[in-house]
Amino acid sequence: QVQLVESGGGVVQPGGSLRLSCAASGFSFSTYGMPWVRQAPGKGLEWVAFIRFDGSNKYYRDSVEGRFSISRDNSKNTLFLQMNSLRAEDTAVYYCAKPVGGADTSEGLVFDIWGQGTMVTVSS
Amino acid sequence: EIVLTQSPGTLSLSPGEGATLSCRASQSVTSRYLAWYQQKPGQAPRLLIYGTSSRATGIPDRFSGSGSGTDFTLTISRLEPEDFAVFYCQQYGDSPITFGQGTRLEIK
Repeated sequence: QVQLVESGGGVVQPGGSLRLSCAASGFSFSTYGMPWVRQAPGKGLEWVAFIRFDGSNKYYRDSVEGRFSISRDNSKNTLFLQMNSLRAEDTAVYYCAKPVGGADTSEGLVFDIWGQGTMVTVSS
Repeated sequence: EIVLTQSPGTLSLSPGEGATLSCRASQSVTSRYLAWYQQKPGQAPRLLIYGTSSRATGIPDRFSGSGSGTDFTLTISRLEPEDFAVFYCQQYGDSPITFGQGTRLEIK
């Protein structure tokens, strides 16, 4: 079955770094663009970053641009999020998710399968 | 970016009743690219509706979506006990994709 498993979260001091991973299985990972979406404690959902199916284009929300880097290894069906210069406001559960539609389809930015999330806490 | 405002913030209803949740966009949503998710405590979001009115795989037909332009609605007929949760709308027609702040549906 389709599955996404995030890992790499933890507690880090302000200014520190973390690298999140998302292992995908059960679908043709290399044909889907993939996002990271986060949710601060008790708050709503917030899109963080998106990478095209082949890694050719990457998109970030303004507040993480220049600090976070999204990447993927299609040979290992894995998505990554490198987070540098972390701030308290980055504290959240980070999810990867699979879109309904494959690359360049109208449903490439709506998500029908989500991982369980990995918690990132930025605190001194 | 498109701001989505959901109302009401909290909706208190009893099982068996119908629910109407609203999502209003700050500008017109391109091609009706509007989705709805349900999230229960400690769980990831679950896609209910996409393309304004298409039900996702496995979603019961008591969930339905409608709307256009800037006003969208999620309707749940005959609430079941497992339906009580937080609901989010999402637009994916314009960059960046954005989510509403959520409506909490609680048991009265």
